[in-house]
Amino acid sequence: EPEVTQTPSHQVTQMGQEVILRCVPISNHLYFYWYRQILGQKVEFLVSFYNNEISEKSEIFDDQFSVERPDGSNFTLKIRSTKLEDSAMYFCASSAPTGTSGRNEQFFGPGTRLTVL
Amino acid sequence: AQSVTQPDIHITVSEGASLELRCNYSYGATPYLFWYVQSPGQGLQLLLKYFSGDTLVQGIKGFEAEFKRSQSSFNLRKPSVHWSDAAEYFCAVGSGGSNYKLTFGKGTLLTVNP
Repeated sequence: EPEVTQTPSHQVTQMGQEVILRCVPISNHLYFYWYRQILGQKVEFLVSFYNNEISEKSEIFDDQFSVERPDGSNFTLKIRSTKLEDSAMYFCASSAPTGTSGRNEQFFGPGTRLTVL
Repeated sequence: AQSVTQPDIHITVSEGASLELRCNYSYGATPYLFWYVQSPGQGLQLLLKYFSGDTLVQGIKGFEAEFKRSQSSFNLRKPSVHWSDAAEYFCAVGSGGSNYKLTFGKGTLLTVNP
């Protein structure tokens, strides 16, 4: 069964450093998302991406964050200058094209745990 | 703005007992509703979803949920809980249209006693 994959599973970085979190969505999906979950809190929407541009972003997704689909398979989240409060689990998700039965179901990856020291 | 409330932060049940996890949502239009489960250190696994039609939906692992529009609820149930069901459960509502995102509740942690 196709699945969303994410690398690395755990990333440790120093405050102020740039990090790139990588995701490979399900191959025929066209909608991509990033969510985050700070330890002990709920999962929060960060950004959605379609047709090579951001569809919607939350207030969390400030200028320090960016997303990119550099090729036909990867979807990345970059944090330019990490802060302590960026420590969280980051989940990538993807969903199928409009008109297909799975359009509104998002498939989640296993997450990347980011620790900022 | 859409929102989800899960009133129970932590629930403990005995193995074999029935389970109901509560979820209330706020959304202006017909909602897309989901229940996800997260085991410790793991990602989010979809248990079941409601888009339209029959208000009682069946999911994986013997779970079901009932959509009640009049109560803005989408409670998750299981008739007999297994020790492996211990996990955190998240209810989520999805907005419609092309700018589509999930809004999650804060989750309910389920502990299962032997």
